[in-house]
Amino acid sequence: KQEVTQIPAALSVPEGENLVLNCSFTDSAIYNLQWFRQDPGKGLTSLLLIQSSQREQTSGRLNASLDKSSGRSTLYIAASQPGDSATYLCAVADAGNNRKLIWGLGTSLAVNP
Amino acid sequence: GAGVSQSPRYKVAKRGQDVALRCDPISGHVSLFWYQQALGQGPEFLTYFQNEAQLDKSGLPSDRFFAERPEGSVSTLKIQRTQQEDSAVYLCASSLGRSIYEQYFGPGTRLTVT
Repeated sequence: KQEVTQIPAALSVPEGENLVLNCSFTDSAIYNLQWFRQDPGKGLTSLLLIQSSQREQTSGRLNASLDKSSGRSTLYIAASQPGDSATYLCAVADAGNNRKLIWGLGTSLAVNP
Repeated sequence: GAGVSQSPRYKVAKRGQDVALRCDPISGHVSLFWYQQALGQGPEFLTYFQNEAQLDKSGLPSDRFFAERPEGSVSTLKIQRTQQEDSAVYLCASSLGRSIYEQYFGPGTRLTVT
């Protein structure tokens, strides 16, 4: 059974720092992996989607990498801003059932001005 | 264009009441998903529709939960005889393709059962 773990659970950094959020999954047979952002009282926003054949995706200050063999993905946020404060969730779609996303518990990020 | 919308945004129900939660996906999106997110947890998959067909309902926690999408657009998640453990945020997402490509989420409905 696929399990997704995110470390750290919470992170507080000063504005301007580069930071890394980690996601690990137990079964390397995945279809894709997505990183989402969740703001309090709001829905989830998809940040980056990495297909199983890809190694990384970039969008602005965000870069996500995928290492299927080790069951890991990292989300790199460059030059963090207070507006980046949110909960970041990692979700995996299994190759065997790619309709279902399996989620981590998220990393709660606070960027302090 | 309009995103995924859900109504109501907040619902308080007394234990034992039936509730119906509505999701309006992005127009033209084939796939629709329902998730349940308890406080401090990640979302948990409930069910999946491809057009009007419910192809996966393995995540529905009990037979008190029922979802439909009769015309392949709007979907309703119904919970009968609500229990306190049903309190959660119910998220709906839609996707253009038949597989899991980028999912677009609505704001969710926060259900509180008292």
